Amino acid sequence: RKEVEQDPGPFNVPEGATVAFNCTYSNSASQSFFWYRQDCRKEPKLLMSVYSSGNEDGRFTAQLNRASQYISLLIRDSKLSDSATYLCVVTPSGGYNKLIFGAGTRLAVHP
Amino acid sequence: EAQVTQNPRYLITVTGKKLTVTCSQNMNHEYMSWYRQDPGLGLRQIYYSMNVEVTDKGDVPEGYKVSRKEKRNFPLILESPSPNQTSLYFCASRTLATGGEQFFGPGTRLTVL
Repeated sequence: RKEVEQDPGPFNVPEGATVAFNCTYSNSASQSFFWYRQDCRKEPKLLMSVYSSGNEDGRFTAQLNRASQYISLLIRDSKLSDSATYLCVVTPSGGYNKLIFGAGTRLAVHP
Repeated sequence: EAQVTQNPRYLITVTGKKLTVTCSQNMNHEYMSWYRQDPGLGLRQIYYSMNVEVTDKGDVPEGYKVSRKEKRNFPLILESPSPNQTSLYFCASRTLATGGEQFFGPGTRLTVL
């Protein structure tokens, strides 16, 4: 079983739609959680951290469910520019020496 | 401009011909890391470095070497490349104080024939 698993998609949605991605992780002792965005084989960039209480940044909302070992990303009012691959990232217990990346979920927003 | 640079961006080589991919950052970051990205597998860590002269293996270190003689540079060396090392490689850096925000270079697409 992979340490971090994501549905690869693609999720094809029209502009203005709300879309949600989930990501599951296998290590219950994982410490920190993040969503990164990657455009068409370019470098990944941090989208947002995921906090236990949940957090929101504009149209983006991230949630953490430690009991079920998953994190989620909700995108409201999708824009064409949201089309990208979203990477779920987890740090294992013991610190930040490594980040474990999911394989990514591809989102395609169409007019 | 704060950035991580990698060179070359694209490289086609043949089996067994030693190569080096350079990585440099201008943000005075202590931590640097190399990843490879393959379809369906996500980014996998090859090596990382917590500071000058301090390096350690990641998840897939076989066939790779690194060095950290200066804080800003972290080259990746393939002594004898093989076709299974064909991949997209990213270098990344961050401060030790931050958690997950790593700054990535633009990537090096390597093909080994």
